[in-house]
Amino acid sequence: GNSVTQMEGPVTLSEEAFLTINCTYTATGYPSLFWYVQYPGEGLQLLLKATKADDKGSNKGFEATYRKETTSFHLEKGSVQVSDSAVYFCALSDRLYGNNRLAFGKGNQVVVIP
Amino acid sequence: GAVVSQHPSRVICKSGTSVKIECRSLDFQATTMFWYRQFPKQSLMLMATSNEGSKATYEQGVEKDKFLINHASLTLSTLTVTSAHPEDSSFYICSAQLAGALNTGELFFGEGSRLTVL
Repeated sequence: GNSVTQMEGPVTLSEEAFLTINCTYTATGYPSLFWYVQYPGEGLQLLLKATKADDKGSNKGFEATYRKETTSFHLEKGSVQVSDSAVYFCALSDRLYGNNRLAFGKGNQVVVIP
Repeated sequence: GAVVSQHPSRVICKSGTSVKIECRSLDFQATTMFWYRQFPKQSLMLMATSNEGSKATYEQGVEKDKFLINHASLTLSTLTVTSAHPEDSSFYICSAQLAGALNTGELFFGEGSRLTVL
């Protein structure tokens, strides 16, 4: 079945550092790929998405490119801020019968230190 | 726009009792809602897909008699944990997608409900 794998462990980095969170997926067909973010005490919200191979999703300085050849959708940001501290989830959409069933990775806690 | 609200955000109950969690789409109609369960430091696990006016579709391994889902209107789905036990303690999250032609593929998530069964 469809699955998403995120790199293990929390990520701690200093303000203005470069952030990369790896995400690889296994899927049949042509899924859409997403990054969701969960700020402390809040629900998940969509950060960015890509619906087909080679698409680049971007938002709030974050970017991720849908790489079909490597089945990856790595999240990057060139210069993080303290306000980027959150949990980041990679997900893929299995649009079964028109419903957007999502398979999630385990999530990565990102802590940005001033 | 596209706000999903869950209630209650936290609930503590005794073993053997039933607990109902509500998921509401506040400013849009949602023909389909999804219920997830999140264990500490683990991913969200899809429990079931809730379709307005019809029976929910449960994922493999999820007991439908244990986790009752009702989606009686386009803005409300409920999850009832029946005869709760300590192992049912978890963080339950709902999400919704826009109806029909407005569906862009994005899901909108509630804030989650933390259930603790004593």
